[in-house]
Amino acid sequence: EDQVTQSPEALRLQEGESSSLNCSYTVSGLRGLFWYRQDPGKGPEFLFTLYSAGEEKEKERLKATLTKKESFLHITAPKPEDSATYLCAVQEKSAGTASKLTFGTGTRLQVTL
Amino acid sequence: ETGVTQSPTHLIKTRGQQVTLRCSSQSGHNTVSWYQQALGQGPQFIFQYYREEENGRGNFPPRFSGLQFPNYSSELNVNALELDDSALYLCASSLGQGVREQYFGPGTRLTVT
Repeated sequence: EDQVTQSPEALRLQEGESSSLNCSYTVSGLRGLFWYRQDPGKGPEFLFTLYSAGEEKEKERLKATLTKKESFLHITAPKPEDSATYLCAVQEKSAGTASKLTFGTGTRLQVTL
Repeated sequence: ETGVTQSPTHLIKTRGQQVTLRCSSQSGHNTVSWYQQALGQGPQFIFQYYREEENGRGNFPPRFSGLQFPNYSSELNVNALELDDSALYLCASSLGQGVREQYFGPGTRLTVT
């Protein structure tokens, strides 16, 4: 069964203090790994898709990387508006044609002034 | 381009009742997935519809059922509501099958008393 584990559960940073969030996964074959941002009471907002080990993607202060067993979301010089829960999800090859996403429980990030 | 919309925003039901939640997919998207998100957890896959057919199902009992219409909008029906059904129900749309980004709506907050 797919497993997606995110760490830490919660992270508090000061503005400008860079850090990384971790997502480790166990799947029989990875189709894709997705990062989402979720604000309280709202639906997840798509950030990145990574397909194969060694791939990297960037968007503003965020950079996502992928290895064979884990993904990192690096946040450089965060601002208070980056405060949110960051969710990692995987799509497995054995899911057939269904593009089911298996999510981790997320990392709650708080960025203070 | 219109994003994913869901209705209603909030709903309060009594144990044993039935509920219908609605989702309009993003323009041009023909695949709709439904997820249940309990407080503090990641979204859990309920099922997916592609071109009006159920295309995959998670570990949810048969009292969770759905429909997709020719315009690709979708409904989630839950019968015999239980207290544990209280959650945020999320609809996500995507284009086609395989590894595709899923774009989420704002969700419907269901409370069962």
